[in-house]
Amino acid sequence: ELKVEQNPLFLSMQEGKNYTIYCNYSTTSDRLYWYRQDPGKSLESLFVLLSNGAVKQEGRLMASLDTKARLSTLHITAAVHDLSATYFCAVDMGAYNAGNMLTFGGGTRLMVKP
Amino acid sequence: DAGVIQSPRHEVTEMGQEVTLRCKPISGHDYLFWYRQTMMRGLELLIYFNNNVPIDDSGMPEDRFSAKMPNASFSTLKIQPSEPRDSAVYFCASSRQGNYGYTFGSGTRLTVV
Repeated sequence: ELKVEQNPLFLSMQEGKNYTIYCNYSTTSDRLYWYRQDPGKSLESLFVLLSNGAVKQEGRLMASLDTKARLSTLHITAAVHDLSATYFCAVDMGAYNAGNMLTFGGGTRLMVKP
Repeated sequence: DAGVIQSPRHEVTEMGQEVTLRCKPISGHDYLFWYRQTMMRGLELLIYFNNNVPIDDSGMPEDRFSAKMPNASFSTLKIQPSEPRDSAVYFCASSRQGNYGYTFGSGTRLTVV
């Protein structure tokens, strides 16, 4: 059974600081996704990582994937309040060129304080 | 594209009542997923369909839950009878073969009292 673990589960940080969220998974996969969820809202796709060593950046967020270590990271640079949300990683165990079968981590709730 | 459309947005019902949640996937998407989100258990996959056919329902918690997809543009998740422990946010998501990731609907917040 695939297990996806995120840490930390909760992160309170000051504006302007840097931090990293970690996503570990238990079975080989080279497709990993990051989603953002604002309180009371749906999940919004942030990044799609499709190979070992993949790195994607959008604004103050950067995601990377190390398939050998079964680890993905979401790095936050110079955090701002607008980044406050819950972040989920999800690992795809589906067959290639088929429907995605995502298993989600437990989420990391990020609060950025002024 | 209107995205994945779920209804209702909120549902409050009494224990023992039947509840039906609805989902319209994105046109052209051939996979549809139902997830449940709670604080205790996070996001759980309940069931998914491919081309309107249920493929894996191993996440459906018990026989009180059932899901159908009568056509490519509509799916329902039914709980009968409902119980307080069913209170959660239920998300529908869709995807297309060859694409990566899901598009989620806005969710239905279900409260069973």
